[in-house]
Amino acid sequence: DGGITQSPKYLFRKEGQNVTLSCEQNLNHDAMYWYRQDPGQGLRLIYYSQIVNDFQKGDIAEGYSVSREKKESFPLTVTSAQKNPTAFYLCASTLDGHEQFFGPGTRLTVL
Amino acid sequence: RKEVEQDPGPFNVPEGATVAFNCTYSNSASQSFFWYRQDCRKEPKLLMSVYSSGNEDGRFTAQLNRASQYISLLIRDSKLSDSATYLCVVNFRGSNYKLTFGKGTLLTVNP
Repeated sequence: DGGITQSPKYLFRKEGQNVTLSCEQNLNHDAMYWYRQDPGQGLRLIYYSQIVNDFQKGDIAEGYSVSREKKESFPLTVTSAQKNPTAFYLCASTLDGHEQFFGPGTRLTVL
Repeated sequence: RKEVEQDPGPFNVPEGATVAFNCTYSNSASQSFFWYRQDCRKEPKLLMSVYSSGNEDGRFTAQLNRASQYISLLIRDSKLSDSATYLCVVNFRGSNYKLTFGKGTLLTVNP
């Protein structure tokens, strides 16, 4: 089955630690995205990548980093510089820049 | 003015009711439009794209009014399973493959 996978589903981290969230897709989509969602809030764009080895900052990139070494993979690192990292993180991809398809998300909690 | 604004909700309706959601967008140079559905603690899923001529998918009807910069979603004969948050999403022309999400409207269908 084609789709987007994210792991882990739940993640706990101590303050001051970096953590990397995985996102993999086998849809052969060129563009991939990372969003953050807080309770009762809309989705906010963190980073996106239209092609391999290239990515752009979204609206709230501070405290995050990404890489795009393979078409299928777009990992997100939440660094210790991110002041309020507890949130629901969603990865998405698109073939043609129109409809985006989402992975199941990772819930990050900072203890 | 926010780029994509939706009815704040929440909407509570009985089974069988007809409910309509409205959405306005700020940029007249918008390219494509979507309604997504998000269940509690899950990822958003594409419900339907919105075409200029309007389109229907079973009990769901989407309308677009470019002159008024307005999108609507009508749900007829509501089911309990329609309970979710509905997200209005716009792809602005020149936005470089980025989508802009509204904050969503929560619908609860009651027995």
